[in-house]
Amino acid sequence: DSGVTQTPKHLITATGQRVTLRCSPRSGDLSVYWYQQSLDQGLQFLIQYYNGEERAKGNILERFSAQQFPDLHSELNLSSLELGDSALYFCASSTLGTSLGASYNEQFFGPGTRLTVL
Amino acid sequence: AQSVTQPDIHITVSEGASLELRCNYSYGATPYLFWYVQSPGQGLQLLLKYFSGDTLVQGIKGFEAEFKRSQSSFNLRKPSVHWSDAAEYFCAVGAPGNKLVFGAGTILRVKS
Repeated sequence: DSGVTQTPKHLITATGQRVTLRCSPRSGDLSVYWYQQSLDQGLQFLIQYYNGEERAKGNILERFSAQQFPDLHSELNLSSLELGDSALYFCASSTLGTSLGASYNEQFFGPGTRLTVL
Repeated sequence: AQSVTQPDIHITVSEGASLELRCNYSYGATPYLFWYVQSPGQGLQLLLKYFSGDTLVQGIKGFEAEFKRSQSSFNLRKPSVHWSDAAEYFCAVGAPGNKLVFGAGTILRVKS
């Protein structure tokens, strides 16, 4: 158990709908990352938040957005869903927002939310 | 830009045989390198990591990996595979800003 929790575990919805995925980081971790794992794109970084502020952006669609709240939990909002958005969405957390020298900020992954768009 | 290549999509080995999963990376500076394992329906578990120092790193479950800068490689090895090792294995590099860039993964099948 990594200490990162994600809810819900599974989500089934229809095209055009909007969903919210939730992530609670490990106690004390300030940084949250979202990744998408799909059959055609593999595991891709979406976005990172550090202490409530957006820190880095990856291949995140404009229909997707995220935020990190004062209690450090994060939500990933996916709107106007398409069939191709079906994927496993992982959240990870780390203590800090960056790494220096030999002191890499290890990321700990949650169990993921499996989204199915019908 | 950083990238990771795992040339083998599938590998099948017999139980008890040795295993080597290949990983090549592209990164301008000294890389942070990782191997993760994902069992069916499960999340990602960190097997081992390389930040600096000794180029042969030991991980959990009897796995080890060797960092070879000259070959830009970080291959994962295990001397004797168990049926429970069947899973998908991902090599990753730590990119600027602390994000991870993953390879496409290698699915390991273990024959009994």
